[in-house]
Amino acid sequence: KAGVTQTPRYLIKTRGQQVTLSCSPISGHRSVSWYQQTPGQGLQFLFEYFSETQRNKGNFPGRFSGRQFSNSRSEMNVSTLELGDSALYLCASSPRSTTYEQYFGPGTRLTVT
Amino acid sequence: QQQVKQSPQSLIVQKGGISIINCAYENTAFDYFPWYQQFPGKGPALLIAIRPDVSEKKEGRFTISFNKSAKQFSLHIMDSQPGDSATYFCAARHSGAGSYQLTFGKGTKLSVIP
Repeated sequence: KAGVTQTPRYLIKTRGQQVTLSCSPISGHRSVSWYQQTPGQGLQFLFEYFSETQRNKGNFPGRFSGRQFSNSRSEMNVSTLELGDSALYLCASSPRSTTYEQYFGPGTRLTVT
Repeated sequence: QQQVKQSPQSLIVQKGGISIINCAYENTAFDYFPWYQQFPGKGPALLIAIRPDVSEKKEGRFTISFNKSAKQFSLHIMDSQPGDSATYFCAARHSGAGSYQLTFGKGTKLSVIP
């Protein structure tokens, strides 16, 4: 099976702009979670989608949003970018919402200037 | 409290030595404790996991020790190899009101030197 894919892999944006990141989960996986990874904070949970519904949300401002499509593909959007949003954004999929076993993609490296 | 505290931040071990990474938590609602391994340029990958009713789990050179009363768990890598050089994250799954969420420690960068 193909792994989790994320596009684009690298992105440079200017403060104030918005960005959309895409994630294609492993075939058959219905749960998609998003994480922000930074050197200082490690991996922080953003949100989880299961069967097109947001099941969980982390402690991030409303500028961070996401959605999941009927084919389980997911997008994450960040509006009004701030310098502090520079990070590696990781998408992870799993077959069920309850599992601790998540399969991560390689991430999208976002740099905000 | 959803926090998982991980130490040390970085670790240098000689080839053949034992690498030990420690984690501590407060929330008793955590019900699964996985460890993830991340190589540069890659996403984290599940290494091994343990339930709180088990005190130890071993898979090859990797062992998790779990102390429920102390709310601590640790990863031991025996006979550490240069190929083990990576960042390791402990995590805890929170279960409550039908929702599940993984909380990660901040990571330990392991370097195994020949």
